Amino acid sequence: NAGVTQTPKFQVLKTGQSMTLQCAQDMNHEYMSWYRQDPGMGLRLIHYSVGAGITDQGEVPNGYNVSRSTTEDFPLRLLSAAPSQTSVYFCASSDSGTRVYEQYFGPGTRLTVT
Amino acid sequence: QQQVKQSPQSLIVQKGGISIINCAYENTAFDYFPWYQQFPGKGPALLIAIRPDVSEKKEGRFTISFNKSAKQFSLHIMDSQPGDSATYFCAASTKSNTGKLIFGQGTTLQVKP
Repeated sequence: NAGVTQTPKFQVLKTGQSMTLQCAQDMNHEYMSWYRQDPGMGLRLIHYSVGAGITDQGEVPNGYNVSRSTTEDFPLRLLSAAPSQTSVYFCASSDSGTRVYEQYFGPGTRLTVT
Repeated sequence: QQQVKQSPQSLIVQKGGISIINCAYENTAFDYFPWYQQFPGKGPALLIAIRPDVSEKKEGRFTISFNKSAKQFSLHIMDSQPGDSATYFCAASTKSNTGKLIFGQGTTLQVKP
């Protein structure tokens, strides 16, 4: 199993550009989440999904969009990039059963917005 | 508003020493408290977790101590090793959060040889 994969690993955007961060998991997990990691802030939840077709907002959803058409994929869209979105983005997944709290994280995407 | 507060921000320990990281929470509905370990350039990985019905959980050199009345929990790393050098995050969640985690700010641990 590859686990949780994310692409790209690094990305530089200009202010106002849009892009999609890709996330895929091959563990048949129902729950998937997107976090951003900033120094001194820990990991903050952007959006999450409890299954295909079902998404909801986390702590910091503004400027981001998500959709979940399949169990495996959960892309994160930046609608109009801003320097405040410079961060490391992590996708995570977890089972819906007794191990719902054990989240498996991808390797991250480091995004710089200039 | 930070619902989970973690300290210290950074920690330097000599090899063989004890590393202690503390977290405090506000929401009494939290019912699961995991610790994640993150090495540079990698995603976080679950290290150890505890539920509030126990006061301590030990796995190898790693121990979580939990104080429900004080709303605090801590991670103790015994016999710290250079390979333990990483960033550690505490977190909290509730059943109704469908597994969503609220993370602390993180602690960067350096274990000197």
